[in-house]
Amino acid sequence: SQTIHQWPATLVQPVGSPLSLECTVEGTSNPNLYWYRQAAGRGLQLLFYSVGIGQISSEVPQNLSASRPQDRQFILSSKKLLLSDSGFYLCAWRTGEIRDEQYFGPGTRLTVT
Amino acid sequence: DQQVKQNSPSLSVQEGRISILNCDYTNSMFDYFLWYKKYPAEGPTFLISISSIKDKNEDGRFTVFLNKSAKHLSLHIVPSQPGDSAVYFCAALGEKLTFGTGTRLTIIP
Repeated sequence: SQTIHQWPATLVQPVGSPLSLECTVEGTSNPNLYWYRQAAGRGLQLLFYSVGIGQISSEVPQNLSASRPQDRQFILSSKKLLLSDSGFYLCAWRTGEIRDEQYFGPGTRLTVT
Repeated sequence: DQQVKQNSPSLSVQEGRISILNCDYTNSMFDYFLWYKKYPAEGPTFLISISSIKDKNEDGRFTVFLNKSAKHLSLHIVPSQPGDSAVYFCAALGEKLTFGTGTRLTIIP
């Protein structure tokens, strides 16, 4: 069966520090991968998605970036965190079938102080 | 521009009664709709979906209704149970999956 992992589960970082959140998927190959942020009053906001290694599409211009160094690994990064980056970050995957639902990871709670 | 809206941020329902969660959308290109359930500090889990060619889909205690002319869908949970207390997100699929803002459902024992 397929599983999706995210780490860390919680993170407290000072403003201006770098960020690296990791997401890995097991039990499937060539998944579509997604990074979302849950912000109060805005639901789930799509940040990045990837349909293959090295292929990243950005939905929201900001100081975050994403990379996909391996087929089942998706990384969310920042060189310098802002206070507004605080939130709950979710990684998700789905197969390439257009009508497949997305499966979400456990999430990372990021607090920027 | 919020293309998928859940206008009720919270809802309280007595245990055993019916819970009705509503969702409105503006983009007529959406052709597949999903409901997710989310507990605090966890990722959302898929609950039920419906294609735009249908107007109803039922799975156990959960039923989703779609009114395409009104661009409205709803999730019915009956009977409601305490474990149903969570935040519910509706989502619509066009080119991408767009989520609503969520409704916090509280089931009162």
